[in-house]
Amino acid sequence: AQSVTQLGSHVSVSEGALVLLRCNYSSSVPPYLFWYVQYPNQGLQLLLKYTSAATLVKGINGFEAEFKKSETSFHLTKPSAHMSDAAEYFCAVSDPGAQKLVFGQGTRLTINP
Amino acid sequence: NAGVTQTPKFQVLKTGQSMTLQCAQDMNHEYMSWYRQDPGMGLRLIHYSVGAGITDQGEVPNGYNVSRSTTEDFPLRLLSAAPSQTSVYFCASSYSGLAGVYNEQFFGPGTRLTVL
Repeated sequence: AQSVTQLGSHVSVSEGALVLLRCNYSSSVPPYLFWYVQYPNQGLQLLLKYTSAATLVKGINGFEAEFKKSETSFHLTKPSAHMSDAAEYFCAVSDPGAQKLVFGQGTRLTINP
Repeated sequence: NAGVTQTPKFQVLKTGQSMTLQCAQDMNHEYMSWYRQDPGMGLRLIHYSVGAGITDQGEVPNGYNVSRSTTEDFPLRLLSAAPSQTSVYFCASSYSGLAGVYNEQFFGPGTRLTVL
């Protein structure tokens, strides 16, 4: 069975600092991996996805993630945090081509001025 | 396009009451699903549908019923609400597409349900 673990339920960084949100997955087959963002009182929006093409994936709002098979990781980074990045972030996994998603627990990102 | 719409936005029920959460999409998507979001647990799949007349269970289906009579609508029914069903419910839709191709899922704004 697939699973996703997000390390850290809360992450706090200063404006302009590096953002690093950690995600590790467990899957019996090479998976598809996703990062979603949820702003307060809104639904989820896709940030980026890995679907077995390039291992470094660039998404919206300056975020990127790198698929590392040897570490079973798909960490999300952004070089310089902005106040508007404050939100909850979810890592998710699916079987290749399947639409069913398995989500991690979520990480709430706070940006300090 | 309105995208994925959900009604109501908020609902308070008493234990044992029944209700239906509505979900509609106007993108002609074949795939629709319901998730519940609980603190510290992320989103968990309740039920999903790959097309009109076809539904299947997800990870946490107990206490919930679904049906899909049209492509546009995918209602979620709680037959006898319990406090454990207090949660935020999200509906999502996407194209099913070709095998091996992932199609982005679009999420609705959510329904916040409290069961007393």
